[in-house]
Amino acid sequence: AQSVAQPEDQVNVAEGNPLTVKCTYSVSGNPYLFWYVQYPNRGLQFLLKYITGDNLVKGSYGFEAEFNKSQTSFHLKKPSALVSDSALYFCAVRAPWAAGNKLTFGGGTRVLVKP
Amino acid sequence: NAGVTQTPKFQVLKTGQSMTLQCAQDMNHEYMSWYRQDPGMGLRLIHYSVGAGITDQGEVPNGYNVSRSTTEDFPLRLLSAAPSQTSVYFCASSPSGSPTYNEQFFGPGTRLTVL
Repeated sequence: AQSVAQPEDQVNVAEGNPLTVKCTYSVSGNPYLFWYVQYPNRGLQFLLKYITGDNLVKGSYGFEAEFNKSQTSFHLKKPSALVSDSALYFCAVRAPWAAGNKLTFGGGTRVLVKP
Repeated sequence: NAGVTQTPKFQVLKTGQSMTLQCAQDMNHEYMSWYRQDPGMGLRLIHYSVGAGITDQGEVPNGYNVSRSTTEDFPLRLLSAAPSQTSVYFCASSPSGSPTYNEQFFGPGTRLTVL
C-alpha cells in the first residue's frame, strides 16, 4: 500500500520569505511524486513531479521540490513567497507498478502568505 | 480545447435519490479517474478507467458506479445517495503509454450535498 503524509494543516509565511511545505511518503519501490495546487473553488493544477534523476526538481510559478530517498520526503519550496501563492497544496505519490496512473494524495496543506 | 469539464457544478440531493455526475475530456486521454475531496483527507480515488470499456475500483468505490463507453466520457453514478456522500467530486484524465507517469488534468469539480 502507498501513503502520503503532510504533517502541517496550515503554513503561514510573510510575503518575500521562503516557503516550505512538507511531504513524506511510503511506497514499495521507487516512487513517482507530484505536487498539485488548488486555488479556491478550482480544480487541482499540476506544479511539478519527480520521476528519476536530479533530486531537485523545478516546476511552475517558481516552485521547486527536493526528493530525499533516505528520509522518504519530497518537500515543496519557494525562495520568496507571494500573496498569490496562498492556496491549498497537495502532495501525491504513485507506485511505478500502479495501473491507470493511480495517485494517492496527502491531506493537503493550506498556505497563507501575508503581505 | 476545453480540457476536462464537469457538470453540474453544484447539486443538492435528498437521501435515497440517484444522480449522475458528468465528466468529459477532449484531449484523447486514455486514463480517467474520479476522486472525492473531503476536509483533511485530501483526494481519495473512487473509480478509474484505463480506456473505453475498462474500469476498476479505487480506494472508496462503495455507493458509486461508473462506465466508460467512449474515450471522452466517464460518468459517475450515485445509486442511492447518502449524507456520507456529501463531498466535492473531481474528475481527472491523463495520457497513457510512454511515459507512464504523466501528470493528471483535473476538472473544476462538482460540489454535492446530500440532505
